Formats: sequence, C-alpha cells, structure tokens
Amino acid sequence: ETGVTQTPRHLVMGMTNKKSLKCEQHLGHNAMYWYKQSAKKPLELMFVYNFKEQTENNSVPSRFSPECPNSSHLFLHLHTLQPEDSALYLCASSQMGPPRATEAFFGQGTRLTVV
Amino acid sequence: QKEVEQNSGPLSVPEGAIASLNCTYSDRVSQSFFWYRQYSGKSPELIMSIYSNGDKEDGRFTAQLNKASQYVSLLIRDSQPSDSATYLCAVKSAGTASKLTFGTGTRLQVTL
Repeated sequence: ETGVTQTPRHLVMGMTNKKSLKCEQHLGHNAMYWYKQSAKKPLELMFVYNFKEQTENNSVPSRFSPECPNSSHLFLHLHTLQPEDSALYLCASSQMGPPRATEAFFGQGTRLTVV
Repeated sequence: QKEVEQNSGPLSVPEGAIASLNCTYSDRVSQSFFWYRQYSGKSPELIMSIYSNGDKEDGRFTAQLNKASQYVSLLIRDSQPSDSATYLCAVKSAGTASKLTFGTGTRLQVTL
C-alpha cells in the first residue's frame, strides 16, 4: 500500500460518542498533519506533528485530541463533538527540511457527520 | 485580510480554451507555493509547486509566480472536461517549516 491512507472513510457519530480517526503514511515522511475542511471554507490546519512531536495546535477545541505514536501513524480522538464539527477531516504528510517546505500529500479523508 | 485569496468562481471555460486561475497572498516573505486540484468529495491532489519568480511548465499546466506583486497563478492549456474541479492555492508561511495556508479554492467548469 502506498501514499497516505485514512480510516474510516465515513463516520456518523452521536454527540456523546467517542471515536478515533486513523491515518498512516507509507512515504517515509517525518511530518504529519490534520486538516478540517468545511463547506465553503478554506482548509483549516488543526495539528502538526514533526518527528512525533506536536509543533502546532491551531486553537483546536479539546474535544479533538491528536496522538502520534510514531512518524508513520497519526490518530485523531473525538469525544463529545458538536454538529458544527461535521466536516471532511484530512490527514497529510510531508518531508520537513529548510529552506523549503515540501508539498503535502493528502489521504482520502474521513467524512464525519455528528448527529 | 485573508492570508491567501482566490476567487471562488465558478470559472467557466469552453473545452480547448485556456483557464487562468489566480491567487494572492499577504505574507510577503512566503517562499513556497503550491497548486492542488480537488474533485468533489475527494482529497486535494498536488499539481504544481513553484519557488522562484517566473513561469514553470508541466504538460498543460503552467504556474506563474510574482513575489513583488504577491501573486501566483495557474494556467491550464487545452482545457478538458476532466479538468473541472476546485483548484486550491497553498502558500508556505515564513518561520514555520511546513505550515501550508490554503485559499478557499476556485471552482473550474470546462464546458463542452
């Protein structure tokens, strides 16, 4: 398997549920990201992990909890979400290195619906 | 002011014509610029990257960068119906190694 894979592809959950999104990259990259894409809004960066360490948290509510056990795997743990959290959640990876950012490669995304 | 601005469209061009997609950015020291294509319900797919002023060509696609004007564009020659998608402009922010800031995207429709 190649590239960036995300599971599940679709998820419907109630506001009291706890679920997790999984991302795995097979590109040998050292940085991974979670993005949120809502209708008619730009992609919103949520979290960045470099070498397994979280380097960025863009004021994301605590009901979203990331976990990066190694440079190939990234999770997003979800609990007590709100209907407005319904969106496409995209995982991406890239290879870090100055002076330039490398391009980000995206997974297929998880379409999340909170009911 | 939005960090990365794109006209949301839709931009409609006839098959075989040149589609011109534009993007402006606010961070003057941005260094890396990317164009992604996103089909409805799918994830973004990288089309082009450009780092230096001028033009960069790859097949039917040409990226143009003008750092003085803080402007980057994507030209698609001989547009095909399969090019119909949303095109996202992404800019690397200065000071953060791999943070990409995306525009809202321009929806392109190529008509028969």
